[in-house]
Amino acid sequence: DVKVTQSSRYLVKRTGEKVFLECVQDMDHENMFWYRQDPGLGLRLIYFSYDVKMKEKGDIPEGYSVSREKKERFSLILESASTNQTSMYLCASSPLAGVVYEQYFGPGTRLTVT
Amino acid sequence: DAKTTQPPSMDCAEGRAANLPCNHSTISGNEYVYWYRQIHSQGPQYIIHGLKNNETNEMASLIITEDRKSSTLILPHATLRDTAVYYCIVKATNRDDKIIFGKGTRLHILP
Repeated sequence: DVKVTQSSRYLVKRTGEKVFLECVQDMDHENMFWYRQDPGLGLRLIYFSYDVKMKEKGDIPEGYSVSREKKERFSLILESASTNQTSMYLCASSPLAGVVYEQYFGPGTRLTVT
Repeated sequence: DAKTTQPPSMDCAEGRAANLPCNHSTISGNEYVYWYRQIHSQGPQYIIHGLKNNETNEMASLIITEDRKSSTLILPHATLRDTAVYYCIVKATNRDDKIIFGKGTRLHILP
């Protein structure tokens, strides 16, 4: 089975802190994604990557950056956390570079910024 | 915006077939229909996808109408563990076409 793991299930940070969310997949997938999920808004794509050291903006990249130094790991960075970034963050991966069929999701990180 | 329309909620008795409808009247020829579900406090889980033929796997069946403007996900023997929000998504496979999750259908399995 594909396994996507995220570094924390729950995280509490203060306004202005730099926050790192880590995601690791163990199936040698090419594509990786970061989403946030908010009540009533569904999932929204923040950033995605189709290859190591490659990244592309999703629909809501403002206030976020990403890093993909190794194929299996995709990190989401909140440069200066704000209260409106309190959300559930979901990482996903899919197998074929540039071609996206099914995506496999991690369990999510519930981030609270106070 | 999501390209699909789903009822906000549905009920189904345990052991019966759950039939979840989805309208996607503006679907393009290169777009697939995908279904995911999200159980409370977990990440979304891929269920099935199809282009124009009906599909079946160990989890569910997907019925796509001939004009491809609507589809139905069928869980043949629903259990309490199938209680979740079910998302219907249309998307092409090319890298520039992003997956967009709408609000989905909240399926309640009744004991």
